[in-house]
Parts: sequence; structure tokens; C-alpha cells
Amino acid sequence: NAGVTQTPKFQVLKTGQSMTLQCAQDMNHEYMSWYRQDPGMGLRLIHYSVGAGITDQGEVPNGYNVSRSTTEDFPLRLLSAAPSQTSVYFCASRRTELSYGYTFGSGTRLTVV
Amino acid sequence: DAKTTQPPSMDCAEGRAANLPCNHSTISGNEYVYWYRQIHSQGPQYIIHGLKNNETNEMASLIITEDRKSSTLILPHATLRDTAVYYCIVRPDKLIFGTGTRLQVFP
Repeated sequence: NAGVTQTPKFQVLKTGQSMTLQCAQDMNHEYMSWYRQDPGMGLRLIHYSVGAGITDQGEVPNGYNVSRSTTEDFPLRLLSAAPSQTSVYFCASRRTELSYGYTFGSGTRLTVV
Repeated sequence: DAKTTQPPSMDCAEGRAANLPCNHSTISGNEYVYWYRQIHSQGPQYIIHGLKNNETNEMASLIITEDRKSSTLILPHATLRDTAVYYCIVRPDKLIFGTGTRLQVFP
């Protein structure tokens, strides 16, 4: 198993550009989530999904869209990048049962100039 | 949502046990206590979880008080590689991170 794979690992965007951060997992996990972590700060939940076709907002959803068309993939779209979205983005997944923990990807480091 | 309270930082000598406390006085009866850690800028790593009973795995032990209002994560023989921010979480479905405890293991 590859676990949770995030691409790209690094990205520089200009203000106003859009892009999609990719997240894929091969563990057949139902739950998937996106987080952002600003320098020196904790992780904040952006969006999450409890299964294919189901998504919900987290703590900081503005400026981001998600979709979950398959169990494996959970892409995060930045609609119009702003410098305030400069951050490290982490994707995570877990099985449905609460007795299992989340597995995290290695992150995407995004800089918006 | 159950809220957790952790000390902002702790130190521990290498080879000694690190005991990290967490207060979760508003926890509901069916909510698990989860612990994660984040080493430097890596993705968080799941450590352990428990509901009522004490739990142990290859990484750590989790002691939950009988009233379930607090818990302690124990790293029995801390190493320099255990230096990280440790998070105690009781809403695992949405996994909302608090500020955690920054554990510094020193030689």
C-alpha cells in the first residue's frame, strides 16, 4: 500500500490563479479530510468527506472546493489563490470505524505570490 | 464538541518516561480519546486511542481516568526522535486539532 499520496509536493502560484491539490489513498478508507497548517501554527480542518459523494465544511472552508466522486480520491481546489492561502496542506484518511486513526499524507507546500 | 486542554510545552530527559496529560472534562460516553503527534513539518502520526480501558501499543501507553475526564500519554523511554508536538483529540470523526503539547526530549 502506498498510503495517502499527495501531489504536488511543492507549488508556487500567482495571486488569482486556480489549481487543484491531489490526494489519493489506496486503503479503501471512507473518511478523508484536508487540513492547512500555516507557519508555526496548528492544523485547521478545511473540508472533509465521510464517503463518496458526501462532503462537508470544516473550520476554514472559504476559498476552497472539494468533491468526492470516488472512494480513492479527494481533490482540493483553490478557486482564486490569495497570499493568505500560503500554507502546507495535508490530506488524511481513515476507516469508518472510530476505533481506527487517520493516516496523513506528507503534505503539499503552497506559496502564493 | 468535547474540548481538550494540554500544557503548551514539556521537557523530558532521553531514556526517561514522558508523561503527557490531557484534560477532556466534557467528553461524552461514546467518544474515544485519540493521540497524534507531529514531528517538525511532517504529517501528523497516529499514536494510540482508547475509550475506557488503559491501552498499550508499540509506541506508547494511554491511561484514562475512571471518570474519563482526563488521560495521560506515556512514552516509556523517550528518545530524541520523540521530540514533537503531541495532540489529544476527542472528536475523531472531524479530527479538530488544538494547540497540543510541544515535547522536547534532551540528551
